[in-house]
Amino acid sequence: KQEVTQIPAALSVPEGENLVLNCSFTDSAIYNLQWFRQDPGKGLTSLLLIQSSQREQTSGRLNASLDKSSGRSTLYIAASQPGDSATYLCAVMKGGATNKLIFGTGTLLAVQP
Amino acid sequence: ETGVTQSPTHLIKTRGQQVTLRCSSQSGHNTVSWYQQALGQGPQFIFQYYREEENGRGNFPPRFSGLQFPNYSSELNVNALELDDSALYLCASSLGGPAKNIQYFGAGTRLSVL
Repeated sequence: KQEVTQIPAALSVPEGENLVLNCSFTDSAIYNLQWFRQDPGKGLTSLLLIQSSQREQTSGRLNASLDKSSGRSTLYIAASQPGDSATYLCAVMKGGATNKLIFGTGTLLAVQP
Repeated sequence: ETGVTQSPTHLIKTRGQQVTLRCSSQSGHNTVSWYQQALGQGPQFIFQYYREEENGRGNFPPRFSGLQFPNYSSELNVNALELDDSALYLCASSLGGPAKNIQYFGAGTRLSVL
């Protein structure tokens, strides 16, 4: 059974700092991995999607890496801003007939001005 | 904006009641997935519909049921509500059913069961 874990559960950093969020998964047979942002009480905003054949994806100040063999992904946020404060979720999509996402429990990020 | 809309945004029910949540897919998407997100947790897969047929189900009891209509909009029905059903319910639309395409999420329906 696929399990997804995110560390740390919460993180508080001063504005301008670079930071790394971690995601690990137990079954390396994934199709892709996706990072989402969730603001309080809101839906999910997709940030980056990495196909299983890829090693990383970049969008602006965000960079996500994937090491499928070790079951790990990281989300790197450069020069953090107070507007980056949110919960960050990673999710893996397995192979098979149903393209369901299996989510971690998230990292709650607070960027202090 | 993902083009996926959910209604209502908030709902309060009492234990034992029934509830229907609605989801309108992004234009052209034929697959809808439903997720339950309890407070402080990641979303959990409930089920998925592809071209009006159920295409996979998570570990949820039969009192959670769904429908997908010819225009690919969808409903999630929950019977005999329990306190633990209080959560944010998210739907996501995508293209292609078994194809591993990106899922686009709606803003969710917040259900409170008293």
